[in-house]
Amino acid sequence: KNQVEQSPQSLIILEGKNCTLQCNYTVSPFSNLRWYKQDTGRGPVSLTIMTFSENTKSNGRYTATLDADTKQSSLHITASQLSDSASYICVVSGDGGDKIIFGKGTRLHILP
Amino acid sequence: ETGVTQTPRHLVMGMTNKKSLKCEQHLGHNAMYWYKQSAKKPLELMFVYSLEERVENNSVPSRFSPECPNSSHLFLHLHTLQPEDSALYLCASSQVLEMTAPTDFGPGTRLTVT
Repeated sequence: KNQVEQSPQSLIILEGKNCTLQCNYTVSPFSNLRWYKQDTGRGPVSLTIMTFSENTKSNGRYTATLDADTKQSSLHITASQLSDSASYICVVSGDGGDKIIFGKGTRLHILP
Repeated sequence: ETGVTQTPRHLVMGMTNKKSLKCEQHLGHNAMYWYKQSAKKPLELMFVYSLEERVENNSVPSRFSPECPNSSHLFLHLHTLQPEDSALYLCASSQVLEMTAPTDFGPGTRLTVT
């Protein structure tokens, strides 16, 4: 069964600290993996998308990594800011067919 | 976010009401989507349109009826909903229909069914 599991479910860190969010998947064959940021009361905003051949991609203070062998991705946030408080959603797309699987997301709270 | 707009942002309706959600994208995209987002659950794909043709209906109950009059507009007509239909309904778009999640989402309509 194609699945996307995100951890932790929620995370609280102090402003200025770094953090890493995890995404493990079983979708096969793999096509691409996208990370979204979703602020409360808003729609998701795409942060990065990675294909099989890419193992790291950055967008400002956000860096996503992908290990297609172990089927794991992480999203690292550097020097967190209050505006980083949001849900972060991992989405994995399979190659062919109708496999676009969303994770449940990680809720990140940044405390001042 | 301003590339995809949704109205209304909030809607409260009774189970016997009929209402419609509207989505408009200003990005020149050819693919549009409706998603349902319930608390603590992954986003659920409801409908996909490509060049105004419905290409996917993800086993959605008939009380939800989509309409895509042109490539910029998408509607979701609602009738005789149930309380469990209360959720955030998100519209999304992509340049073309492809095997990846949409690139742009709207802000959503928060629907409460009483």
